[in-house]
Amino acid sequence: EAGVAQSPRYKIIEKRQSVAFWCNPISGHATLYWYQQILGQGPKLLIQFQNNGVVDDSQLPKDRFSAERLKGVDSTLKIQPAKLEDSAVYLCASSQVRSPSPLHFGNGTRLTVT
Amino acid sequence: DAKTTQPNSMESNEEEPVHLPCNHSTISGTDYIHWYRQLPSQGPEYVIHGLTSNVNNRMASLAIAEDRKSSTLILHRATLRDAAVYYCILSRAASKLTFGTGTRLQVTL
Repeated sequence: EAGVAQSPRYKIIEKRQSVAFWCNPISGHATLYWYQQILGQGPKLLIQFQNNGVVDDSQLPKDRFSAERLKGVDSTLKIQPAKLEDSAVYLCASSQVRSPSPLHFGNGTRLTVT
Repeated sequence: DAKTTQPNSMESNEEEPVHLPCNHSTISGTDYIHWYRQLPSQGPEYVIHGLTSNVNNRMASLAIAEDRKSSTLILHRATLRDAAVYYCILSRAASKLTFGTGTRLQVTL
């Protein structure tokens, strides 16, 4: 089974620029998550989708972060404008709807904001 | 969400068993105990989960205390590829996983 695909693998931008990350979950996984992992910390959930609807976005900084999951498959996470503190690894995960169902993570996008 | 407490780091010799402890004294009756690990430069990887009974799979075993206030992840024979950060997480079914800082396991020859 193919894993969760994320791109790009690395991204370097200047503050105030915008950036977008893409995620393709495992086929058939209805639930998709975006996590932010700052160096030295555990991953923090930003947003959770089930199909194309948002289940939880309570920790998403909505003034600058947005995410969408059109057609309930691929997802994009956007930051506009980026701040220095957004430097982190952005991880996408997917799971089946039945619970508890293991999360399958991609290898993430490492963002550096200068 | 109920909180877990794990040692910051542990060391093990290769080919020996490793017991990674996790305390969760405020666990509720509906909380599952999940373990994930994160190898360098990779996303977290599911290891095992359980509710009340001990669990085994091809990667590890999970031993859950009778009062459920603690659990132990057991790697039966550590290899260099098991060097990673191990996260112990509590969550109710269908609820989000909240990661802590985990235990960094070092495996030496």
